[in-house]
This record gives sequence, C-alpha cells and structure tokens, in this order.
Amino acid sequence: DQQVKQNSPSLSVQEGRISILNCDYTNSMFDYFLWYKKYPAEGPTFLISISSIKDKNEDGRFTVFLNKSAKHLSLHIVPSQPGDSAVYFCAASAVISSNTGKLIFGQGTTLQVKP
Amino acid sequence: NAGVTQTPKFQVLKTGQSMTLQCAQDMNHEYMSWYRQDPGMGLRLIHYSVGAGITDQGEVPNGYNVSRSTTEDFPLRLLSAAPSQTSVYFCASSPGFSYEQYFGPGTRLTVT
Repeated sequence: DQQVKQNSPSLSVQEGRISILNCDYTNSMFDYFLWYKKYPAEGPTFLISISSIKDKNEDGRFTVFLNKSAKHLSLHIVPSQPGDSAVYFCAASAVISSNTGKLIFGQGTTLQVKP
Repeated sequence: NAGVTQTPKFQVLKTGQSMTLQCAQDMNHEYMSWYRQDPGMGLRLIHYSVGAGITDQGEVPNGYNVSRSTTEDFPLRLLSAAPSQTSVYFCASSPGFSYEQYFGPGTRLTVT
C-alpha cells in the first residue's frame, strides 16, 4: 500500500522553462510534506517543505503547492536549469498524530533539464 | 562539521553472512533513521531512533537490528544476509520530528 505516490517516473523540460513535479498521498493524517533532491551516488538533500496549515511555500526558484482536499502536492521549479537534473522525492509525515516524525517517501521522479 | 557519515561505501556479502553498517553524525541530532532505496520503490524506512536508548521499527524492519547507545552513532546490523537485502542504504538524522532530515552518502550493498 503506497501512501505517497509519484506517478511520473521521469520528466524532461527545456532549460528556462517550468518544471512541475507531482505527488499524491492517501493518508489524511499527513501534516508535513517535504521535497528532496538526489544526485547519483549521493544521499538525498532537503529542498523545501510545507506544513498542512499552508497551501504554498516559496524558496527562490522552488515553490511547493499543497491541495489538501485533493491530497496532492506539486513542486514548481522556475526557471529550470541543467543543474536541476536529478531524482526528486516527495515525502510525508504525520508529525502531530503519530508523534514519531516518520517520513514516507514516494518512488521518485527523474528530472532532466535540457540545455 | 562532517554531517552524517556512513561506512563502508560498498560491500559485497555472501548469503548468510552478517555485517554492520556504520552511521555517525556530529550535529547532536536526537532523531536518526535508516532507509533502503530500491528501484521503483523510493526510500523505505527500516528503523529509527528518537534518542539514545530508544529505537523503533519502520516500514521494512525484518532482517535488520539497530541499537542507539550514544547520540552520535546508529549502526544497522544485518543478521543473516539475503539477496533481497541487496540495496543502497542511507542513514539520516534531524534535530527533531518536524525538521528536515540530513542524509549520509549511502552504502551500496550486494548480497550474492
């Protein structure tokens, strides 16, 4: 039972355009969501997060949108750069209800930004 | 700060062998966890710890043991390696529940 799903295994965009990565979840108790970026042969690195009390969080070129009614979040990268080419994981946690902070990850989406 | 360090980087085991994957962090983080990454599966939580002396199971704990005797170290033990445990293993730490986790560089394990 996959509680966090990233249905697009890969995405290819042109440099300078917008990249939109999507993530769906099933557990309504999730209240904290994060995006991680991973380059080959490295560990994931934190990118941006959002609490369930917000519907948008922005950090430079990266914006995460949360639609709680649809149980959907998305990561927008504008403008996309070749250095953004990596695997992106979304993750969710039920911080308040579970009091454990366990992260549940999606399968990942490989983003390729073409020069 | 070195952050989160993991040793070894690569390991090949034969079925039935045991070994310990090492993880250490120098950020005084209370929360530490172990994940495995498999193709098409994302990262799956194996075990986690909310502080020294406290550990709990994640999504896929079978075949693995952990202990947390100090804040800094969180080793993962494979008791009797199986080919299904061939994976890339990541250790992570964070200051607390609602903070982002910092990941180590990973250990690539192959069980033949």
